[in-house]
Amino acid sequence: NAGVTQTPKFQVLKTGQSMTLQCAQDMNHEYMSWYRQDPGMGLRLIHYSVGAGITDQGEVPNGYNVSRSTTEDFPLRLLSAAPSQTSVYFCASSYRTGTGLNNEQFFGPGTRLTVL
Amino acid sequence: AQSVTQLDSHVSVSEGTPVLLRCNYSSSYSPSLFWYVQHPNKGLQLLLKYTSAATLVKGINGFEAEFKKSETSFHLTKPSAHMSDAAEYFCVVSDPGSWGKLQFGAGTQVVVTP
Repeated sequence: NAGVTQTPKFQVLKTGQSMTLQCAQDMNHEYMSWYRQDPGMGLRLIHYSVGAGITDQGEVPNGYNVSRSTTEDFPLRLLSAAPSQTSVYFCASSYRTGTGLNNEQFFGPGTRLTVL
Repeated sequence: AQSVTQLDSHVSVSEGTPVLLRCNYSSSYSPSLFWYVQHPNKGLQLLLKYTSAATLVKGINGFEAEFKKSETSFHLTKPSAHMSDAAEYFCVVSDPGSWGKLQFGAGTQVVVTP
């Protein structure tokens, strides 16, 4: 299994440009999410999905869109990039347990995005 | 609402000495708690997790953490630091039924000196 994969690894954008960060997992996990990591702030949840066709906002959703048409893929779209979106972005996936307790999340290697 | 406070932003230890990373949490429920490690320019790796079983949790690479409900703490320890332990460590809380929405602490940077 490849686990959680993300592309690209690095990206530089100009203000106002759009792009899509790709995320895929091959573990048949129901749950997928996007986080951004900024110095001194840990990781903050942007959007998440509990299954194909179902998405919801996290803590910092403004400026980002998501969709989930398949179990495997969960792309993150920046419609009009801003310097404040310069960050490292991590995709993660997880699965439901019979007890309802939360399991660990499996993280991708990250995408480092710079917006000029 | 859930929240996490990591009490130290930086910890410096000598190789072979004990490591203590402190974490306090706030949750309205009986949460799941995790410690993740991030080595430079890498992704996040799970060290250990607490999900309402034994209060002393053993993880990988000799780390362990103790869940103390009365103190709302989940401190991470290791008896003897190794150079390879130099990394950033995150304490994470997740409420039951929150569909795995994680609340991260700000992180503790660990430096290990020879």
